[in-house]
Amino acid sequence: DVKVTQSSRYLVKRTGEKVFLECVQDMDHENMFWYRQDPGLGLRLIYFSYDVKMKEKGDIPEGYSVSREKKERFSLILESASTNQTSMYLCASTTWIKQGESEQFFGPGTRLTVL
Amino acid sequence: AQSVTQLGSHVSVSEGALVLLRCNYSSSVPPYLFWYVQYPNQGLQLLLKYTTGATLVKGINGFEAEFKKSETSFHLTKPSAHMSDAAEYFCAASRTGTASKLTFGTGTRLQVTL
Repeated sequence: DVKVTQSSRYLVKRTGEKVFLECVQDMDHENMFWYRQDPGLGLRLIYFSYDVKMKEKGDIPEGYSVSREKKERFSLILESASTNQTSMYLCASTTWIKQGESEQFFGPGTRLTVL
Repeated sequence: AQSVTQLGSHVSVSEGALVLLRCNYSSSVPPYLFWYVQYPNQGLQLLLKYTTGATLVKGINGFEAEFKKSETSFHLTKPSAHMSDAAEYFCAASRTGTASKLTFGTGTRLQVTL
């Protein structure tokens, strides 16, 4: 069964802290994504990765960085957390198969609160 | 730039009534289109997708959607709502067809009442 897991369901951090959000997939997928979800804004892409050690900025990369050292793991890093980064963070993965037939599989999300 | 618009952030229907959730996309090239559902405290789950071919797409849990190029729409319907359908629904589009770099709508929260 397809599975994307995220290290924490709920996280509370203080302003200025360095925060790591971890995502692991067991499907041998090449592509992994980090989104943030906010009420009224839907999901917005932060960063994505097409392969190990490769990353590309999404629509809202400011204040975030990522790391992909192993194929199954994609980490989102908040270098210095701020209150406006309080949000739900969703990780997803997908694979390159016949065009149009792949889908993104999502983890359960991490609700981050920055105080 | 591609955009996805969902009309109505909240929709309320009675159990047994028709469900209609609206989605319009903006693109000069017909995109690949998806509907995802998010139940409380969970991640997103794919309901259905349109890639090529038949414009009426059937998904899980009795949902279906019709791609109408002339209207740039991909509305989600279900003939008879069930209490378990209460969730948030997201329409998404991709130009590449591989479900990479999805553009999401802002979501519609469906409430089902007795």
